[in-house]
Amino acid sequence: EAGVAQSPRYKIIEKRQSVAFWCNPISGHATLYWYQQILGQGPKLLIQFQNNGVVDDSQLPKDRFSAERLKGVDSTLKIQPAKLEDSAVYLCASSFWQGNTGELFFGEGSRLTVL
Amino acid sequence: GDSVTQMEGPVTLSEEAFLTINCTYTATGYPSLFWYVQYPGEGLQLLLKATKADDKGSNKGFEATYRKETTSFHLEKGSVQVSDSAVYFCALFSGNTPLVFGKGTRLSVIA
Repeated sequence: EAGVAQSPRYKIIEKRQSVAFWCNPISGHATLYWYQQILGQGPKLLIQFQNNGVVDDSQLPKDRFSAERLKGVDSTLKIQPAKLEDSAVYLCASSFWQGNTGELFFGEGSRLTVL
Repeated sequence: GDSVTQMEGPVTLSEEAFLTINCTYTATGYPSLFWYVQYPGEGLQLLLKATKADDKGSNKGFEATYRKETTSFHLEKGSVQVSDSAVYFCALFSGNTPLVFGKGTRLSVIA
């Protein structure tokens, strides 16, 4: 079974530029999550989708971050304009359904460096 | 709100040493508890879980027991190997909130 796919693995940009990350979850997983992991900290949820609807985006900085999952499968997370403090690893995860027990399947992450 | 506190690292052990990584939690209700592991260059993966008090989760020689009275879920392994070198995250899920992670503990095992 293929795992969660993310791209790009690494991205370096200058502040005020924009960046987009792509995620393809495990086939059949209805729930998709984007987490931000800053160096030395645990992952923090940015947004959770159930199919193509948003379940929780309370911690998403909506003035600069946006995410979509138009067809209920793959998803894109965009940052525009980027700030220095956005340097982090962006993790995508999926699970079979929203009411699961917290067992998520993670991709390898996309590491962003903002200069 | 719900939170997880785990011991700060890094932790450096010799091969075959005993490992304990402490984890305590604060939550309303009765959360499920998890340990996730991140090996170098790989994504987070579930190591073990426990869904109710006194449950013991185990996998790959690692164990953790859900202690409601001390709100703890300490990770243990009797004899670590070099291949266990990774970052370990304690996490909780209470059903109404997303999975909440601790800050992670980096373990290095030297031969």
